Amino acid sequence: DGGITQSPKYLFRKEGQNVTLSCEQNLNHDAMYWYRQDPGQGLRLIYYSQIVNDFQKGDIAEGYSVSREKKESFPLTVTSAQKNPTAFYLCASSIAAFAWGATGELFFGEGSRLTVL
Amino acid sequence: GENVEQHPSTLSVQEGDSAVIKCTYSDSASNYFPWYKQELGKGPQLIIDIRSNVGEKKDQRIAVTLNKTAKHFSLHITETQPEDSAVYFCAASIITGRRALTFGSGTRLQVQP
Repeated sequence: DGGITQSPKYLFRKEGQNVTLSCEQNLNHDAMYWYRQDPGQGLRLIYYSQIVNDFQKGDIAEGYSVSREKKESFPLTVTSAQKNPTAFYLCASSIAAFAWGATGELFFGEGSRLTVL
Repeated sequence: GENVEQHPSTLSVQEGDSAVIKCTYSDSASNYFPWYKQELGKGPQLIIDIRSNVGEKKDQRIAVTLNKTAKHFSLHITETQPEDSAVYFCAASIITGRRALTFGSGTRLQVQP
């Protein structure tokens, strides 16, 4: 089955610790994204990547870092610099970010819920 | 950058009634407007989308309308069913531009049986 796998589903972290959320896709999509979801605020873009070894900051990149060493993988690290990291994190992919004629549809994983204790 | 506003934040309807969710966007260059449905504990899924060269699109009980002049677009669900209960997000972007989707804040729809 093709899709996006996020892990772990639930994660607890102590203040001051970095944590890495995994996102893997087997859809052969070029573009991958990380969104943060907070109650009443919808989905806010953290980082996105259009191609391997390239990524751009989204609207709320401060305190986060990413890498894109392989097409299938786009891990997100929540660093200790992120002041309010407790949230639901969603990874997504699309065929190509900006290919003419592409539907632009995002395929989401089931999310990772991070709680800072 | 783009800013998308979505209303209402919660909506409760009786089964069989219609539901309407409205969004406005700020960037007149945006030309792609999808709607996503998020069920409890899951990631959002695309249910319908519209491009700026079309004013209306329909798929069974779901329709989306777009008013480019006013920069707003709406989701219409007719004959609502309990399984329509979910959080709905509108979004906007430029298909051929260097910008990812900007989402609205979401609408929690509750269909009462």
